Amino acid sequence: DTAVSQTPKYLVTQMGNDKSIKCEQNLGHDTMYWYKQDSKKFLKIMFSYNNKELIINETVPNRFSPKSPDKAHLNLHINSLELGDSAVYFCASSQAGRIGGGSYFGAGTRLSVL
Amino acid sequence: SQKIEQNSEALNIQEGKTATLTCNYTNYSPAYLQWYRQDPGRGPVFLLLIRENEKEKRKERLKVTFDTTLKQSLFHITASQPADSATYLCALDEGNYGQNFVFGPGTRLSVLP
Repeated sequence: DTAVSQTPKYLVTQMGNDKSIKCEQNLGHDTMYWYKQDSKKFLKIMFSYNNKELIINETVPNRFSPKSPDKAHLNLHINSLELGDSAVYFCASSQAGRIGGGSYFGAGTRLSVL
Repeated sequence: SQKIEQNSEALNIQEGKTATLTCNYTNYSPAYLQWYRQDPGRGPVFLLLIRENEKEKRKERLKVTFDTTLKQSLFHITASQPADSATYLCALDEGNYGQNFVFGPGTRLSVLP
């Protein structure tokens, strides 16, 4: 039973297209995140969602928008894709306020913009 | 500016030896610090968390120390095995409420048989 699952695993698309990545967690966590890992392997937080509220939005272009239909899902929509958006995107979840544990990550979505 | 550094990009060590990885940070006052393992093509896996009032934490062959004065955490793997080969990331919570995690660049550990 996968704790954090994201789809698709690979996404190849043309510049200018709009795409979505889906994420679901079955851990009952109240906080979900989206991270971007670039070609240099830096893992950088993009968004954090707690109980349907956006808590943190880093300096991410507004072409990226997270959508959370419920506590178990946090999808990432990307409009007008650019070459620089090519990276691996990870979804994660944790139980905020309970600092005894860490974040659980999905397997990642490798996005290639051509 | 705020920064997290990990001692080296890559570390090679002989099987059976102790691997020691370093995480240094500046301009943060984190309540806790985490360590993750990442294998190629996979997401990071949480290993250990250490709070600011804890000097040391152990889990099986893993040991983490946290020195808030030096702004440094050390991550040790004793009796290292080739299966320990992976990239190890340290992370701290800038917001202290699980809201804004900042990750270090990682150290790629290779344990040679």
